[in-house]
Amino acid sequence: KAGVTQTPRYLIKTRGQQVTLSCSPISGHRSVSWYQQTPGQGLQFLFEYFSETQRNKGNFPGRFSGRQFSNSRSEMNVSTLELGDSALYLCASRPTSNTEAFFGQGTRLTVV
Amino acid sequence: ELKVEQNPLFLSMQEGKNYTIYCNYSTTSDRLYWYRQDPGKSLESLFVLLSNGAVKQEGRLMASLDTKARLSTLHITAAVHDLSATYFCAVVETSGSRLTFGEGTQLTVNP
Repeated sequence: KAGVTQTPRYLIKTRGQQVTLSCSPISGHRSVSWYQQTPGQGLQFLFEYFSETQRNKGNFPGRFSGRQFSNSRSEMNVSTLELGDSALYLCASRPTSNTEAFFGQGTRLTVV
Repeated sequence: ELKVEQNPLFLSMQEGKNYTIYCNYSTTSDRLYWYRQDPGKSLESLFVLLSNGAVKQEGRLMASLDTKARLSTLHITAAVHDLSATYFCAVVETSGSRLTFGEGTQLTVNP
């Protein structure tokens, strides 16, 4: 069974640009959550999608947005990138919202 | 707001020794997870603890949950170098779905 796939794995962007990250969950999983990991703030929840609806949102500015498609794949977009957005972005997939979460390999975003 | 605290944050131990990592959380929860992260890698699920008194063991690691004390422990028995990694606990509030992570415990096992 394929795991959670995140693309791209690495990304370098310039301040002010925007970026889109992609997450393909495990087949049959309908819940996708996104987390940001930085050395200073640790692992922080961004948002959760279930059946194309955003169910939960963390405390991040509106520059961070996401969506989920009918096949459960999810994208996360960050606009007007700032240096502080440099982080490992992790996607987690679950069958439903209250079951065990499986994480993808992450996308390492560097903003220069 | 749910807060999750782990201690210690850094742990250096010798092979063959035992130690315990603690995870305290601030509000009611009925689900707690332990994850392992190797440098530059993603999170690997270790244990899912769903009820008070739950105890799970895998190899040299054993996790337990006390929901009344709002405390989970991850006990390491006879540590080996391969256990060197960062360990995170993550808590889900009752009736919630988001994972709130502790700061992580960076474990180094020295030969």
